[in-house]
Amino acid sequence: AQTVTQSQPEMSVQEAETVTLSCTYDTSESDYYLFWYKQPPSRQMILVIRQEAYKQQNATENRFSVNFQKAAKSFSLKISDSQLGDAAMYFCAYRTGYNNNDMRFGAGTRLTVKP
Amino acid sequence: ETGVTQTPRHLVMGMTNKKSLKCEQHLGHNAMYWYKQSAKKPLELMFVYNFKEQTENNSVPSRFSPECPNSSHLFLHLHTLQPEDSALYLCASSQEMSRRHEQYFGPGTRLTVT
Repeated sequence: AQTVTQSQPEMSVQEAETVTLSCTYDTSESDYYLFWYKQPPSRQMILVIRQEAYKQQNATENRFSVNFQKAAKSFSLKISDSQLGDAAMYFCAYRTGYNNNDMRFGAGTRLTVKP
Repeated sequence: ETGVTQTPRHLVMGMTNKKSLKCEQHLGHNAMYWYKQSAKKPLELMFVYNFKEQTENNSVPSRFSPECPNSSHLFLHLHTLQPEDSALYLCASSQEMSRRHEQYFGPGTRLTVT
C-alpha cells in the first residue's frame, strides 16, 4: 500500500527566509501524481503545487518549488521569501496513476512564520 | 473561497442522534469526495462519487451513509456514532476523477460526538 510520510510535525521559519518541508512516499508504481496542499488556520485547504511523476523537471509556482527525487521517493517543498500568510498546515499527498480513487495524504507539517 | 461549501460548520451530537452533513460545490465538477481529518493523523478518504455514482467506500462503518442526489450536492448521514468519530469532515470536488485534476476542498464540519 502506498504511504506518505512527513517527518516534521512542526517547522518554524523567519519571515523572508527559506524553509524546506520534507515528504517521502512508498510506492511500487511508476506513474503517479504528487501534491502539496496548504491548510491555513480555520480556512479551506488549497493546492500549492503538483508534480507529475513522469516529468523530471521540478515544479515551481512563484515562491514555492519542489525537489522531486523519484528514485529516493522524496518530494520536498521549498518556500522562499517566507511571508506571514504562509503559516499553515502543509500536507503532502500522493495519487496513484492506476486507481483514480486512491489519494493518500501525509500527517502534515505545521509551519510557523516568525515576524 | 474555493467554491465548495459545507454546512453546518460545527456539530455536536450524542451517540444516539441522527444528523446529516451537507456539501455543495459551485464549480461544475463531476467528482465529489468525503474525507475524515483527525488530529495528528493523515486525511482519510471515505467515499468517492463520480457523476453521482459511488465509486469508492474505503471500509467505512455503516454508521456513515453517503448520498449524492446530483453532481453538485453530497451528503453524509450520521447515526449511532462513537466518540472516536469526532473529527473534521472535509468535502472536496474535482473536475474529473483523473489523478491530474486537483481537488477543491470545503471548510469542513467540526463534529464532536458526546
